[in-house]
Amino acid sequence: AQTVTQSQPEMSVQEAETVTLSCTYDTSESNYYLFWYKQPPSRQMILVIRQEAYKQQNATENRFSVNFQKAAKSFSLKISDSQLGDTAMYFCAFMNPQYNNNDMRFGAGTRLTVKP
Amino acid sequence: GAVVSQHPSRVICKSGTSVKIECRSLDFQATTMFWYRQFPKQSLMLMATSNEGSKATYEQGVEKDKFLINHASLTLSTLTVTSAHPEDSSFYICSARMGQGIETQYFGPGTRLLVL
Repeated sequence: AQTVTQSQPEMSVQEAETVTLSCTYDTSESNYYLFWYKQPPSRQMILVIRQEAYKQQNATENRFSVNFQKAAKSFSLKISDSQLGDTAMYFCAFMNPQYNNNDMRFGAGTRLTVKP
Repeated sequence: GAVVSQHPSRVICKSGTSVKIECRSLDFQATTMFWYRQFPKQSLMLMATSNEGSKATYEQGVEKDKFLINHASLTLSTLTVTSAHPEDSSFYICSARMGQGIETQYFGPGTRLLVL
C-alpha cells in the first residue's frame, strides 16, 4: 500500500520569503503521479502542481516548484515570494495509475501561515 | 474549465434521517467520481469510487449500506447518508476525473453535514 508522509504539521513564513514543504512517500511502483493540493479556509481543494514520476524535470508553476527526488521518494514543494493568499492547508498526494480507478492517497497536510 | 459543484454546501438534519449530497461536473464528463470524508484538521479519507453505470467501490471500513452512492450519468454522482447519526457529522468532498489516463482530479467545494 502506498503511504504519503508530511512531517511538518504547521509552518509559517514571512510575506515575500521562500518556504519549502516536505513530502515523502512509499511505493514499489515505478510509474505514478504526485500532486500538491491547496485547501484555503474556504475548504475548496485547489491543484497547485503535479509531477509525473517518469519525468526527470521538476515541475514548475509560477511561484510554485517541486524538488522531486525519485530514488529518495521525496517530493517537496517550494513556494517563492510568499503571498498572504498562500495561507492554507497543503496536501501532498500520490496516485498510481496501475490501480483500479486511479484513486488518490493524501498526506496528513501542512498548515502554512504567511505572515505580513 | 473543469468545475465541480456540490449541493448542498451545508446541511443540518435530525438523527435517523437520510441526507443526499449531489456532485456534478459542470463542463466535462466524468467517468469516475470519488467521495472523501474530512474530519476537522485532518486529511481527506477516500470513502468510495464510483464509475458511471456501475456499482461503487468502497474502501475498507466504509459501510456501503450506510453510504449509498449512485453515479447515474457522466456528470452526476450522489452520496446518500442513510439513517444519519451524530458521528456521521463531517465534511464530505467529491472529486471527478475526466477519463482513464487523465490523472488529475477536480474537487467540489465540499458539503458540511451536521447531524443533531
